[in-house]
Formats: sequence, C-alpha cells, structure tokens
Amino acid sequence: DAKTTQPNSMESNEEEPVHLPCNHSTISGTDYIHWYRQLPSQGPEYVIHGLTSNVNNRMASLAIAEDRKSSTLILHRATLRDAAVYYCIQLRNDMRFGAGTRLTVKP
Amino acid sequence: DAEITQSPRHKITETGRQVTLACHQTWNHNNMFWYRQDLGHGLRLIHYSYGVQDTNKGEVSDGYSVSRSNTEDLPLTLESAASSQTSVYFCASSESAGPHEQYFGPGTRLTVT
Repeated sequence: DAKTTQPNSMESNEEEPVHLPCNHSTISGTDYIHWYRQLPSQGPEYVIHGLTSNVNNRMASLAIAEDRKSSTLILHRATLRDAAVYYCIQLRNDMRFGAGTRLTVKP
Repeated sequence: DAEITQSPRHKITETGRQVTLACHQTWNHNNMFWYRQDLGHGLRLIHYSYGVQDTNKGEVSDGYSVSRSNTEDLPLTLESAASSQTSVYFCASSESAGPHEQYFGPGTRLTVT
C-alpha cells in the first residue's frame, strides 16, 4: 500500500522558511512524490512533484532523499496565506491522501 | 480560462433518494476523478475515468456510480443515499497517463438526513 507518514501539525512564523517532512518508506522506483495543499473550505491545490531529483517551482521546493524514502517540502518564506493542510502523496496507481500536516503560520 | 466546476455546491437530501452530483471541466483532460472528504480527514478516491466510456472503481466505490459519455463531464450518482454518505465531494481532472497534477473543483457539500 502506497502510504506516507507526515506530522499532524506544524507551526511557523511569517516570512520564515518552513520544512514539511514526509516519509514514504514503501516507495518503488517509478512512484512519484506529489504534494498538494488544501486551504480552508477549498479543494486541494497542486504544489509540486518529483521523482528523484530536487525540484523547484514558484510555490515551493521539493528535496528528495537519496534513498527516496523521505522528502521535504520547503516553503522559502511562509505567508499567512500558506496556512493550510499539506498532503504528501506517493503516486502509484492512484492518489491516496493521508491526513496531511496542518500548517499554522503566526504573524 | 479553463476550469473545473461542480454543482450543486450544497445539497441536502433524504435517505434512500437518488442523488447526482455534476462535474464539468474545460481543460479537455482525459482523466477525471471523484473523491470524498469526511470532516477532519484526507480525501478518498471513489471512482475515476481515463477517457470516454471508461470508468474504474476507487477505494470507496460502494453505493456510487459514474458514467463518462463525453470528455468534459463525469457525473457521480448515489443510487440510494445513506447518512454515511454525508461528506464533501471533490471532482478533479488531469492530463493523460503520467504523473500529471490534478486540478480540483470547489467541492459539493452533501448532507443526507
């Protein structure tokens, strides 16, 4: 089963970097790692995905461990609008969302 | 701009009634998905489709059905609504095969009384 493990919640201060960890110890060679976030009362929103190499886009960076059993989503400067539930997904045949990490950003 | 819409946004129905939730996307995506999200939990996959006339069962498909007659629409039907199906329902779409990101609709909040 393609399950991931994330902390239930994390806090950050505004304008500071945030590192959101995810363990995916059952990952296989062709499984992509996807991150989504869900703001209150909205549908999930794609953040970033990767396979082996670290990835950057306008929203975030994704650092993938060399053995691919863990990854970290990096928000370089958290804003109040980044407060959301962040989901790490090990994409095999379909998307399996866990409970995610609830990120609180303090002003 | 391309988008994905769901209707209705809120629905209250009675136990035993048939209910259909609509999902429409203008991305011209082949893949479409239905999820449910119960309070305080992550999303669970109900059904999905990889193209017209294609439908597949997901993790929690019992009591639900879908049909795909065109690219743009994937309606979700609850054959006989049950209180356990009270939830928020999200539709999503993505490009063809591959690790493409999914685009989600705004959700439909369904209450079965």
